[in-house]
Amino acid sequence: SSEVTQDPVVSVALGQTVRITCQGDGLRNFYPSWYQQKPGQAPVLVVYGKNNRPSEIPDRFSGSSSGDTASLTIAGAQAEDEADYYCNCRDSSGRHLVFGGGTKLTVL
Amino acid sequence: QITLKESGPTLVKPTQTLTLTCTFSGFSLSSGGVGVAWIRQPPGKALEWLALIYWDDDKRYSPSLKSRLTITKDTSKNQVVLTMTNMDPADTATYFCAHSPRGFDRFDSWGQGTLVIVTS
Repeated sequence: SSEVTQDPVVSVALGQTVRITCQGDGLRNFYPSWYQQKPGQAPVLVVYGKNNRPSEIPDRFSGSSSGDTASLTIAGAQAEDEADYYCNCRDSSGRHLVFGGGTKLTVL
Repeated sequence: QITLKESGPTLVKPTQTLTLTCTFSGFSLSSGGVGVAWIRQPPGKALEWLALIYWDDDKRYSPSLKSRLTITKDTSKNQVVLTMTNMDPADTATYFCAHSPRGFDRFDSWGQGTLVIVTS
């Protein structure tokens, strides 16, 4: 299957921990990458591989995978974390990439 | 510092062919493992991966759009070109190019994107 699914909307109270999930067959064999996108801006890579972050990304962002599901966790969500989050991974063939439908995170 | 910039027409008529150019700096597309991808985003909608070309000219396409897409590179000019045939209003979107470094799949640098509107 080439589909990757994400919950469309997730909310979190300021300072609390939130998990955004991504599900797809390709996740059984390949690690995803995660992107944060704010309105009118290009996406920004926040997590990739087993659990890697670009140097400029705060360590409150982390990633994990199990079976066909991957998760992006934000520990102690901040107001500036309010954004759309997308996962990207290979499809079950391993030859193509696919984005999930995105999750809109609201920080209350 | 890696930078990428997309260029191409803003307005395209239905059935026409779209040609977009990604001009980049800060890396070489002849370096092992490196790639450049095209990704688009219709207004208010999700990201969609379109195509990826690797340093060794390996090309990958979205299965749903494969028949309409062609991706090429000009290493000497530091450019990657995407052509999409038979444009339709549903192809109206912001088109991004992005750098894919060696190692784990990821897009670590993105262009600002270019809006393409398909209208008669």
